[in-house]
Formats: sequence, structure tokens, C-alpha cells
Amino acid sequence: GQNIDQPTEMTATEGAIVQINCTYQTSGFNGLFWYQQHAGEAPTFLSYNVLDGLEEKGRFSSFLSRSKGYSYLLLKELQMKDSASYLCAVLDSNYQLIWGAGTKLIIKP
Amino acid sequence: EADIYQTPRYLVIGTGKKITLECSQTMGHDKMYWYQQDPGMELHLIHYSYGVNSTEKGDLSSESTVSRIRTEHFPLTLESARPSHTSQYLCASSESDQSSPLHFGNGTRLTVT
Repeated sequence: GQNIDQPTEMTATEGAIVQINCTYQTSGFNGLFWYQQHAGEAPTFLSYNVLDGLEEKGRFSSFLSRSKGYSYLLLKELQMKDSASYLCAVLDSNYQLIWGAGTKLIIKP
Repeated sequence: EADIYQTPRYLVIGTGKKITLECSQTMGHDKMYWYQQDPGMELHLIHYSYGVNSTEKGDLSSESTVSRIRTEHFPLTLESARPSHTSQYLCASSESDQSSPLHFGNGTRLTVT
């Protein structure tokens, strides 16, 4: 079966750095997405990786290793507004999105 | 400013009722999707469409139907609501490119009593 694993919950301190991991086992791979979802709101797109390596976008960076079936989202200079759930999703060989259950990130002052 | 709109935002309805959840987008996207999301759980695909008069079933499609008569409109209908349908329903759209991200509506929170 297809599976995406993310930690259920993480806690970090304002101003710090946090890394949210995502491992996947899917039938084929055509890219990996990260979305941010604040409580009671819609998910919003953060990043897309299809090649190995690090993609940096301001305070957020996303890394992909296809050989390891592994990605992480790195958030720097954490702000209180970064408290949200972070969803990892993989495009499989049929270009269907397989979603993880999300990681709830709690930022403490 | 949202370019994809869902109504109603909240709905409480009795068992056995027929309901239609509305979704419209103004971005001209060909692809549209309906997802169900429970707290702390992954998104489950209910139905999707790659264009007008095209609809496909996802993993949770058996108790609902969709239509795509116009590019901008993709309503979801539950013929007979049950308490197990209580959930958050998210509509999304994207450009045709497979790597294009999804744009989500704010969702409809449905409670079936």
C-alpha cells in the first residue's frame, strides 16, 4: 500500500529553527508538496520538490531525497503565526496525490 | 482574497436529507477536486474533474455525486446524509500541469444529526 509518515505534533520556541520530516512509500514518484494549514482554514501551498536537493523560499526550505523516500520542511526564525499543521503530499505514478496526516506545529514564546 | 469559494461554511442537517455543497472558482482552472478531512487525519479524495463534463471517483465517492457543467462550478451532492458524513469538506482547483499546486476553498463543515 501507499503510505506517508509525518510526526503527529512538534513543539518549538519562537525565533528557533524546526525541521518537520516526511517519509513516503508510494507506487512511483512525480513530486512532493508541502502545505500549511492553520486551524479552521484551508491548506495553502508552500513548496514543491521533484529533484533531489534543497529548495529555499524565504524562511522556509524544503529538502528531498528520492533514494531515501524522504523530505523535510525547515522553518527558520519561527514566528507565532507559524503555529499550524504542515501537510506532506506525494504525486504517485498515476499523478494522484497521496496525503500525510499532517504535523501540528506548536510555537511557544 | 479568495479565488475559490465554498458555501455554506457551516451546515447542520438531519439524517436522510439531501444536500448540495457548492464550490466555484474564478481562476479558469480545468482541474477541480473534493476532499474530506477529519481532525488530525489525511485528506481523502471524494471526486475530481479534469474539465467540463469530466468527473472521476476518488476513494470515498460511493455516497455522493458531482457535476461539472461549467468550468467554474463543481457542486457535491449527498443524496441521503448520515451521521458518518459529519466532517470538513474541502474543494480545490489547479492548473492542468501535473506539478501545479492545489488552491483550496475555506471548506464546509458539515454536521449530520
